[in-house]
Amino acid sequence: DSGVTQTPKHLITATGQRVTLRCSPRSGDLSVYWYQQSLDQGLQFLIQYYNGEERAKGNILERFSAQQFPDLHSELNLSSLELGDSALYFCASSPQSSGLSGNTIYFGEGSWLTVV
Amino acid sequence: DQQVKQNSPSLSVQEGRISILNCDYTNSMFDYFLWYKKYPAEGPTFLISISSIKDKNEDGRFTVFLNKSAKHLSLHIVPSQPGDSAVYFCASGTGGTSYGKLTFGQGTILTVHP
Repeated sequence: DSGVTQTPKHLITATGQRVTLRCSPRSGDLSVYWYQQSLDQGLQFLIQYYNGEERAKGNILERFSAQQFPDLHSELNLSSLELGDSALYFCASSPQSSGLSGNTIYFGEGSWLTVV
Repeated sequence: DQQVKQNSPSLSVQEGRISILNCDYTNSMFDYFLWYKKYPAEGPTFLISISSIKDKNEDGRFTVFLNKSAKHLSLHIVPSQPGDSAVYFCASGTGGTSYGKLTFGQGTILTVHP
């Protein structure tokens, strides 16, 4: 158990719909990261938040957005869903936002999204 | 542009022997590297990491070696156990404000036979 909690574990929804994925980081971790794993793309970085502020962006679609709340949990919002958005979405967390010490980033179990 | 490559899609090893998983990278800005173990439909499990100021890091049965000049890292598992059978990913990143923005390899499926 990494200590990173994601809900829901599985979600099936129709094209055009909107979903919200939720992540609770490990206790004390200020940084939250979202990754997408699809069959053809492997694990891809989407976005990072540190203590409530957006810190880095990857290949995140404009239809997707995220935020981190004062209690440090994060939500990933996916809208106007397409079949190609079907993937495993992982949240990860770490205590710090930069530096070389303690380079450990822990992943949650993922939210499996199926768009039909 | 695949900045992190794991050229061996699979590796088969006998129980008790050494497993060596390899990873090459192209971005000279990467300054830390991690190895994860993953089962299907589960999250990656952190195994071991190394920063660019070191060339070796050990943790129990796992040792990671970094050759910066060759832009190559490897994970050694000794002795290999059947429970080690999984997909192994190497990941690389830069420090500073992009810490945690990891670039993953495509993974190597390790099978350890009893």
